[in-house]
Formats: sequence, C-alpha cells, structure tokens
Amino acid sequence: RKEVEQDPGPFNVPEGATVAFNCTYSNSASQSFFWYRQDCRKEPKLLMSVYSSGNEDGRFTAQLNRASQYISLLIRDSKLSDSATYLCVTKPGAGNQFYFGTGTSLTVIP
Amino acid sequence: EAEVAQSPRYKITEKSQAVAFWCDPISGHATLYWYRQILGQGPELLVQFQDESVVDDSQLPKDRFSAERLKGVDSTLKIQPAELGDSAMYLCASSLTGIEAFFGQGTRLTVV
Repeated sequence: RKEVEQDPGPFNVPEGATVAFNCTYSNSASQSFFWYRQDCRKEPKLLMSVYSSGNEDGRFTAQLNRASQYISLLIRDSKLSDSATYLCVTKPGAGNQFYFGTGTSLTVIP
Repeated sequence: EAEVAQSPRYKITEKSQAVAFWCDPISGHATLYWYRQILGQGPELLVQFQDESVVDDSQLPKDRFSAERLKGVDSTLKIQPAELGDSAMYLCASSLTGIEAFFGQGTRLTVV
C-alpha cells in the first residue's frame, strides 16, 4: 500500500472557480504534512505546510484530519498561474524521508 | 536566495554506460536526499544522508546505483550500467531541520 494516495485528476476548471484536492496517508504516526507544487518539468516547490488546526495562505487553505488520515487543499478564485501538479507529502518524523503522492494535475482554463 | 545546485540539467546516455550526477545542497543543511521521479509519478527516495552518513538507502538499487557524500557537503549519485528504465528526473533536496525540504532543479536523464 502506498504511503500517500492522491486522485491524479486531471482537474480542468475555469478561472475564478474553487477547486479542492484530497489525499489520504497510511502511516498514522506521520507528524508533518505538506502540499508541494510542481510545474511541468520543474522541481517541486513547497506550497504550504499543513497543521492540525488548518491553515490559510491567501487563496489557499489546507486542512488535516488525523482521525481519517486525510489532507485537503482548497484553492479559491483559481488563476491561470495555478495550473500545475499538486503533490501531497507526509513525513513520519524529522529524521525520516518525505513521502510523496503521485500528484494531482490542475489546469485552469480562461 | 540560497538554492540547491544540481548538474548536469540534462543527460542523454546510452544503455550500459556509466552516468553521474552532482548535488550541492544549501549551505549548512545536514540532511540531503536523492529522489527519482518517473514521468507521471511522485518522487521516490533513493538515498538519504545525514552529514556524510547514509540514513536510508533501502530503495537504492545497489547493484547499479551508488551514492556518496564524503565530506558531508556535496554529493554524487552514480549509475553503472544505465538501463532504459532509469530514464527519469533525478532530484536532490536538502533540509536544515528535517521539517522542510528544498529541491534542486533536477537532472533529467534519458537512456537510449
């Protein structure tokens, strides 16, 4: 079973739409959670960390549900520049590796 | 802004040849990771270093892959001999606290 499971999409949404991505993780001992953004043929870049209380950064909101072991990312008022692959990432502890999902592809259409 | 440096950016090699990739992490970052990303998939760990010591190489195909970080700073990943299935993006990342990872631009390997 994979550590992190994501719906690969693709998600095609119009500009201005709200879109939500979910992922589930298998290791209940995971301590750190992230969303990374990866543009086509580029390296992953940290979008935001995910905290138990939920956190928001502008148009982006991330939430963590430890009981159900899922993480979500909500993007409001989608922009063309949001088109990318969004990778859900978990980490059991500071000394461990980062586990990546396969990524969810988003295309925002004019 | 400090960056993780990787070279080369692109590499085309013939099957059975040797190939090497280099990574220079952000200064002061003790943890260094090599990940491999096949097109359409998420990155998967090949090897993790803490300073010069290997922490996790359980998914490194040791019959053909080797990695070193001799002085605990920069690192080299080698493949010998390369196989067609090794075509992928090889990503190096570093971390100061173990909480957040910063990636280099990657080396895109094509084996023909």
